[in-house]
Amino acid sequence: GAGVSQSPRYKVTKRGQDVTLRCDPISSHATLYWYQQALGQGPEFLTYFNYEAQPDKSGLPSDRFSAERPEGSISTLTIQRTEQRDSAMYRCASSPGLLRNEQFFGPGTRLTVL
Amino acid sequence: ELKVEQNPLFLSMQEGKNYTIYCNYSTTSDRLYWYRQDPGKSLESLFVLLSNGAVKQEGRLMASLDTKARLSTLHITAAVHDLSATYFCAVDKGGGADGLTFGKGTHLIIQP
Repeated sequence: GAGVSQSPRYKVTKRGQDVTLRCDPISSHATLYWYQQALGQGPEFLTYFNYEAQPDKSGLPSDRFSAERPEGSISTLTIQRTEQRDSAMYRCASSPGLLRNEQFFGPGTRLTVL
Repeated sequence: ELKVEQNPLFLSMQEGKNYTIYCNYSTTSDRLYWYRQDPGKSLESLFVLLSNGAVKQEGRLMASLDTKARLSTLHITAAVHDLSATYFCAVDKGGGADGLTFGKGTHLIIQP
C-alpha cells in the first residue's frame, strides 16, 4: 500500500481481556517494527521482524506480549490479560530492509484498558 | 544502555525568531533521525543523518550531526506558526536492524 496502516485505530478493553492489533506495512518493505508510545513520551521499541523472522524481542515488556508476521507482510501484536498499565499508543513502522534504513510510521492504535 | 536526551523539552517562541533543539546520546552511533509529530498524528520523518558532519536542510529546518560529541542539533530559522509540533530525535543502536531509541521529544509552540 501507499503507507503503513494499522487497525483498529482505537481499542477500549477491560482489564484481563486479550487484544490483537494489526499492522499492514508498505508493501515492498522487508522490515517491520512495533513501538509503544506513552502520552507525552517518545516511542519505545518492542520488537521487529525481518520478513517473517523475529530476531529481537528484547523490548517486549512481559510474556503477555507477543507478535507474529507469519507470511512476512501483515503483523499482529497480541496482549494477553491486559492491564491498565498497557494503555498506550502502539505504533508500527516499516523500512525497506536490514541496512538501518529510514523507518516509516503508521497512524497507531490507541489502546485504553479500563 | 543507549540513552537519548533532548533539550529543551518545551519551547515557546515567537514567529520570526531562530532557535536550536539539542539531542545528546550516550553511546557510539553514526545514524540519527529527526521526526515531527503533530497532535494526534503519526511521526513524519524529517531528516536521516548518516555520518559525522552530516548537515541537511529542508526549508526553515536544518539538522546536523557530530558523532564525536554524540550530538545532533535541529535549527529553526525564522520560525513560522506551521512549525509548531513535537520534534523527536532517534538513534540507531547499530549492529543490525534494531529499533530506534527515541528522545522524549521537544514540544514546540510558535506564537504569531
